[in-house]
Amino acid sequence: NAGVTQTPKFRVLKTGQSMTLLCAQDMNHEYMYWYRQDPGMGLRLIHYSVGEGTTAKGEVPDGYNVSRLKKQNFLLGLESAAPSQTSVYFCASSATTGWVYNSPLHFGNGTRLTVT
Amino acid sequence: DQQVKQNSPSLSVQEGRISILNCDYTNSMFDYFLWYKKYPAEGPTFLISISSIKDKNEDGRFTVFLNKSAKHLSLHIVPSQPGDSAVYFCAAPFKTSYDKVIFGPGTSLSVIP
Repeated sequence: NAGVTQTPKFRVLKTGQSMTLLCAQDMNHEYMYWYRQDPGMGLRLIHYSVGEGTTAKGEVPDGYNVSRLKKQNFLLGLESAAPSQTSVYFCASSATTGWVYNSPLHFGNGTRLTVT
Repeated sequence: DQQVKQNSPSLSVQEGRISILNCDYTNSMFDYFLWYKKYPAEGPTFLISISSIKDKNEDGRFTVFLNKSAKHLSLHIVPSQPGDSAVYFCAAPFKTSYDKVIFGPGTSLSVIP
C-alpha cells in the first residue's frame, strides 16, 4: 500500500519556467490538499479538492493552479516560477475533511523545489 | 498572526527521560488538536489527537494534555527514545469558508543516546 506518492522528489527551476507536481493516492480518499512548508512557518495550504473535478483555494494560492481530473490524482502547477516559490511541497489526502475527528491527513514525502 | 504557536524551535533530551513539547493557540474556536511527527525527507505522520472535551489523551508513550483556560497543550513522550528524534507539529482544524488545518511552525526534538 503506497499511500500518497509525490513526483518528482527534487526539482530546480529557473525564474519564469513552469512545472507540474504530481500527487497520487491509492486510499480512495475524497479530499486532497497541497501544502508548502517554509522554515519557521509550519505548513500552509495552497489549494485543495473535495472530490474529483473540484478544486478550491487555500491560504496561499497565488502563483499556483491545480487540477483533479481523476479521484486518485491531484496536480499542482506553477506557470511562471518565482524565487519566492522555493519551498518543500507536500500533498496530503483524507477520507473526510481535516476537521472531522479520526480523519487525519495522510502526507506524501514531499517535493523540494528550488527556483533560481 | 500565527494562531498556533510552538515557541521552542528545538529541544534536546537524554534517552530515557521525558520530552515535553509545548503548543499555544490564540483562537478559542479551536476544539480539536492533533500532533504530527515528521522525519527528514518524509511527510508528516499523524501521532495523537485530543478533543477539547478532554484534558488528556494517552497512547502508549505519548500523552497530550490540554489546558483550555490557558489555551495551551503539551505532548509528553515518556521514556524518550532516539527514534523519537523528529520535528513535531501541533495542528488545529478550523472551519472558515473552507475546512482548514492550521499548523504550528514545529519543534525539532533530538533524543541523545
